[in-house]
Amino acid sequence: NAGVTQTPKFRVLKTGQSMTLLCAQDMNHEYMYWYRQDPGMGLRLIHYSVGEGTTAKGEVPDGYNVSRLKKQNFLLGLESAAPSQTSVYFCASRTGRGDTGELFFGEGSRLTVL
Amino acid sequence: GQNIDQPTEMTATEGAIVQINCTYQTSGFNGLFWYQQHAGEAPTFLSYNVLDGLEEKGRFSSFLSRSKGYSYLLLKELQMKDSASYLCAFMDSNYQLIWGAGTKLIIKP
Repeated sequence: NAGVTQTPKFRVLKTGQSMTLLCAQDMNHEYMYWYRQDPGMGLRLIHYSVGEGTTAKGEVPDGYNVSRLKKQNFLLGLESAAPSQTSVYFCASRTGRGDTGELFFGEGSRLTVL
Repeated sequence: GQNIDQPTEMTATEGAIVQINCTYQTSGFNGLFWYQQHAGEAPTFLSYNVLDGLEEKGRFSSFLSRSKGYSYLLLKELQMKDSASYLCAFMDSNYQLIWGAGTKLIIKP
């Protein structure tokens, strides 16, 4: 029962470096999401996907890119990391249109940008 | 516009009852969710309300009033393991979740 798996779980970057966070789900879910969570703030949506090959911008997309080449995977990229991107990143998935909307979350990826 | 609000922190005693309130404003509404998040962990689903009224699930109950833009999560017979943050979120007209900042619940013996 893997569910939603995120890699890596921890990463320290220097300003200007790039990296990719990988999210994989084995529940055949259509919809996938990337959120960031910062102290004192609610989960903020970065990008999301409603199916293989589709992506859309969320509330805070600047500085991030995503790809959904395979249904089970959703990648989040930081091209040039900035200290403001220090955060905990959560991937989540749900069945899709017509479901209750319940999200299944990965364990989170803690990113520090120095 | 859209917004959602819940208290930042609450304290309760083991064995007691606590009610966590959530108020929201939105032009389009497709349900209200409550999630539990222990420190350092991912949120996990607790409840979903789309119609007015009370939904009971064991020690946890969730209430919704759509006309008032109001929900609460009621936790009974509090246990130390209930110490966590409780996140309220509503689903808007685009079927996206809008999240509150979370209520940190501290349980004291």
